[in-house]
Amino acid sequence: RKEVEQDPGPFNVPEGATVAFNCTYSNSASQSFFWYRQDCRKEPKLLMSVYSSGNEDGRFTAQLNRASQYISLLIRDSKLSDSATYLCVVIVGGGGGADGLTFGKGTHLIIQP
Amino acid sequence: NAGVTQTPKFRVLKTGQSMTLLCAQDMNHEYMYWYRQDPGMGLRLIHYSVGEGTTAKGEVPDGYNVSRLKKQNFLLGLESAAPSQTSVYFCASSPKGLGYGYTFGSGTRLTVV
Repeated sequence: RKEVEQDPGPFNVPEGATVAFNCTYSNSASQSFFWYRQDCRKEPKLLMSVYSSGNEDGRFTAQLNRASQYISLLIRDSKLSDSATYLCVVIVGGGGGADGLTFGKGTHLIIQP
Repeated sequence: NAGVTQTPKFRVLKTGQSMTLLCAQDMNHEYMYWYRQDPGMGLRLIHYSVGEGTTAKGEVPDGYNVSRLKKQNFLLGLESAAPSQTSVYFCASSPKGLGYGYTFGSGTRLTVV
């Protein structure tokens, strides 16, 4: 089983709709979680952190389910500009270095007019 | 604030040639990383550094060397380029410790012919 798995999509969603996708992780020692957004041919950019209590930022809501070992990203009232690839990042605790950090391969989202 | 700056942005190499990719950050971050991103493979960690004068191997270190002589700079070297090293290379930095997101540079598109 891969450490971090995401449905690659693409998710084709009409503008204004609500869309959600998940990211599952295999290591129960994972401590920190993030969602990144990557536009075509651009660098990944931090979208939001995922806290145990959930995290909301405008139209975006991120949640963590430790029991089932997944994180989710919900986008409400989707905009054309939300079209991008969304990467989840999972960090396993224990060290200060980067060896415990894993990127998912991303979920491709297309918002259609 | 420049953030993370990568040079060059594009490069074409012939097989066997060498080159150095430069990453510079002005945020006083302790940690720096080099990733490569290939279609269908996601982001893969090449090497990383947890402080000036330190480096460590990531997931795919073969064929690459790195140096971090100054805290703000992280260099990635290809001693003898191979077509398999054709990729987009991203540098990133982060503050020390878990729970912090990464700031990425805009990437270097390298083609080895």
